[in-house]
Amino acid sequence: QVQLVESGGGVVQPGKSLRLSCAASGFTFSRYGMHWVRQAPGKGLDWVAVIWSDGTNEFYADSVKGRFTISRDNSKNMLYLQMNSLRAEDTAVYYCATGSWTDYWGQGTLVTVSS
Amino acid sequence: DVVMTQPPLSSPVTLGQPASISCRSSQSLVHSNGDTYLSWLHQSPGQPPRLLIYNISNRFSGVPDRFSGSGAGTDFTLKISRVEAEDVGVYYCMQGTQFPYTFGQGTKLDIK
Repeated sequence: QVQLVESGGGVVQPGKSLRLSCAASGFTFSRYGMHWVRQAPGKGLDWVAVIWSDGTNEFYADSVKGRFTISRDNSKNMLYLQMNSLRAEDTAVYYCATGSWTDYWGQGTLVTVSS
Repeated sequence: DVVMTQPPLSSPVTLGQPASISCRSSQSLVHSNGDTYLSWLHQSPGQPPRLLIYNISNRFSGVPDRFSGSGAGTDFTLKISRVEAEDVGVYYCMQGTQFPYTFGQGTKLDIK
């Protein structure tokens, strides 16, 4: 079955960087676009970024454009989110999700930006 | 960006009774290819979201047929024919017609 496992979250100071990973299994990873979606504590869902199945296109939410970079390694079935210049408002659980409609989701990894 | 608007709370519903949740977009969600990329997701407490409905009315794999979606253009509805205890949580609509994708703020299913 489809499995997505996020990792790399933690506590980081404002202005610092963090890289999240998402390990995919149970489906042909290279055939599907992949998303990052986040959820601040007690809040709703906030779409972050998407990358095409072959990695040739990426789109970002305005709030992260220029600071976050989504990437993938289809040979390793891995998705990444490089997060730079982190802010307190980036504090959230970060989920990876697959497919055109965010078909399947991982359990998420918590990122806390705090001094 | 497309703004998705949902009421924060549903009308109170009794288990076994029907429920509906509305979602409105700030602009038409009809894509240039003719499809409408409006989906519904459910998030149970402490769990990640789960896709229920895509392209307005298509049930995703494994979703019970008590869930149905309808609507067109800018107005959409998710209906649950008979609410069960496992349906508690928050329901989100999401548009994927144009980037950035955007979610509604979520509607909590209010059980009497």
